[in-house]
This record gives sequence, C-alpha cells and structure tokens, in this order.
Amino acid sequence: DTEVTQTPKHLVMGMTNKKSLKCEQHMGHRAMYWYKQKAKKPPELMFVYSYEKLSINESVPSRFSPECPNSSLLNLHLHALQPEDSALYLCASTPKGLLLNSYNEQFFGPGTRLTVL
Amino acid sequence: GENVEQHPSTLSVQEGDSAVIKCTYSDSASNYFPWYKQELGKRPQLIIDIRSNVGEKKDQRIAVTLNKTAKHFSLHITETQPEDSAVYFCAAKAGGTYKYIFGTGTRLKVLA
Repeated sequence: DTEVTQTPKHLVMGMTNKKSLKCEQHMGHRAMYWYKQKAKKPPELMFVYSYEKLSINESVPSRFSPECPNSSLLNLHLHALQPEDSALYLCASTPKGLLLNSYNEQFFGPGTRLTVL
Repeated sequence: GENVEQHPSTLSVQEGDSAVIKCTYSDSASNYFPWYKQELGKRPQLIIDIRSNVGEKKDQRIAVTLNKTAKHFSLHITETQPEDSAVYFCAAKAGGTYKYIFGTGTRLKVLA
C-alpha cells in the first residue's frame, strides 16, 4: 500500500455538529500532517504528529482537535465549526521523523472537502 | 519568519512552448525543495524535487534548478501540453524541521 487515504471525501455539517475526518497510511511513515487549503491558496499547516506525538500546532482554534491513535492513523475531530472553516482538508505523511539531513518527500491524501453551513 | 515567494501568479503559454516558474526562499537552512502540481479538486502531487547538494535535476520535460547563493529555485517545463494546465506550488524545507514552507502558487494555462 503506497498511498495516503482520507475519509470521507465530502462532508457537510452544521455549526453545532460534531464530526471527524480520518487519514490512514500503511507505508510506515512516522510523521503525519493536517493541512487546510482554501481555493487558489497553498496548503496551510495545522498540525504535525511525529512518532504519534503532537509536534506542531500552528495556533489552530480548539474547535479542531487532532488525534493520532497509532502510527498509521490520524484523526481530526471537528466541533462547533464556522462557515469560514469550509475548505479542503489534506492529510500528508513523510517517511522519517526529525533528522537534520532528512530529505522528506511528502505524500498527500486526496483530501476531504468540508462545507460548514 | 520563513517565507517562499513565487512568481508569476498566472502564466499562459502556447502548447509546445516552455514555461518557467521561479521561487525565492528566505531560510538559508532550507535543504529540500519540492514542486507540486495540483489539478482542480485534487491533491497536490509531487512532480520533481531537488536537494541542496544538487544544482539541477531533470525528469523528461521537467527540470528544476537551484541557486543556493541567491536562494532561488526554478521549475522549467518544456514542450508544454494542455494536460500541464494546473496550479503549481513550490516549497522549501529546512533539515531538522517538519515544516514545508509553500509558495503562493502559479496557475499555468497551456493554450491549444
């Protein structure tokens, strides 16, 4: 298995709903990422997990809650979102952890298109 | 903070012509420079990358050049085809960090 998968592909939710996004990879990668991407903009980093520990939180609002239950799985729990949170949410993984001379190719999942009503 | 500037923001070329997209990075510790192609509604797809110990890399119609002194790197696409039309993002990453700093993107249109 040489890819990152994400479910669901599309999600529509109200501002009072609770939902979760799921990301999986079975390539043995040790770092996993959540990005948010708005139309015509580059991916914007939200969180990074390395060896299942949260390494980076880019000051993301608490209505987004990441979770890394094991080395293959990454979740993003959503609660009380705002319409401006509507975007494409991308998961990515890289083979290695934090190494000074690591040249880490980043593999992206297909994304979840989220619409908040 | 670190940033990557990317130019131009849009680029239209005739089919068969060459396209060049340029990026400038600020963090001198950057040592890995990937280029991604993103078609509408799809994931960013790595098309080529270059490491700081290499000045140029080529893969068929695509090449990337790196000038570490000037902190510039460029994507060159030759013999462009309509299927090359997409948004292209450059990125830079420093060793010892997790963060990939993305450029703002270039929308390439190849006119048939």
